Amino acid sequence: DAGITQSPRYKITETGRQVTLMCHQTWSHSYMFWYRQDLGHGLRLIYYSAAADITDKGEVPDGYVVSRSKTENFPLTLESATRSQTSVYFCASSFVNNEQFFGPGTRLTVL
Amino acid sequence: QQQVKQSPQSLIVQKGGISIINCAYENTAFDYFPWYQQFPGKGPALLIAIRPDVSEKKEGRFTISFNKSAKQFSLHIMDSQPGDSATYFCAAVINQAGTALIFGKGTTLSVSS
Repeated sequence: DAGITQSPRYKITETGRQVTLMCHQTWSHSYMFWYRQDLGHGLRLIYYSAAADITDKGEVPDGYVVSRSKTENFPLTLESATRSQTSVYFCASSFVNNEQFFGPGTRLTVL
Repeated sequence: QQQVKQSPQSLIVQKGGISIINCAYENTAFDYFPWYQQFPGKGPALLIAIRPDVSEKKEGRFTISFNKSAKQFSLHIMDSQPGDSATYFCAAVINQAGTALIFGKGTTLSVSS
């Protein structure tokens, strides 16, 4: 299916475990983004990528790692999950960095 | 200087009324100002956007008003409907600069029937 997908949609993990959230887009968009959404904070940018093998930090990058070996994929890894990383995570993509198309989100709970 | 300040945090409007959400920015280099709409359990979706060379843009019941000198822009929803109940985010970016959108913190709109 065309569009942007995220997996898993829901994830429960324990403190200290490594977790990878997947994002896949079929439009060949150059830009991809990861946001977290928390009550009272809106959408906060974690990392973004302007093209394959090019990534840059956003507002809240600590504790997260990204990679982009292929244009269509932009996985986000929590190397050692903490409770403060409980959130809803959104991936987005855009052809140029204006109109962003968001995925459906991944709700992550860290116990 | 990179912030976008959005108000109010929440808004309750009666059906048929006008909903107004305001945003302010500091960075005069911003040149693209979109509004996103998000329904519960869904990702945000682009609603309407404006560039600073126009003062107003209208799409159906949704209008963006832009005041370049005041560095403010607002979203007006005319004849608000219960189906408009959602969270709205304003954003700003320096287009083509290779930077990401800066989002406001969001406004939760409830339209009562």
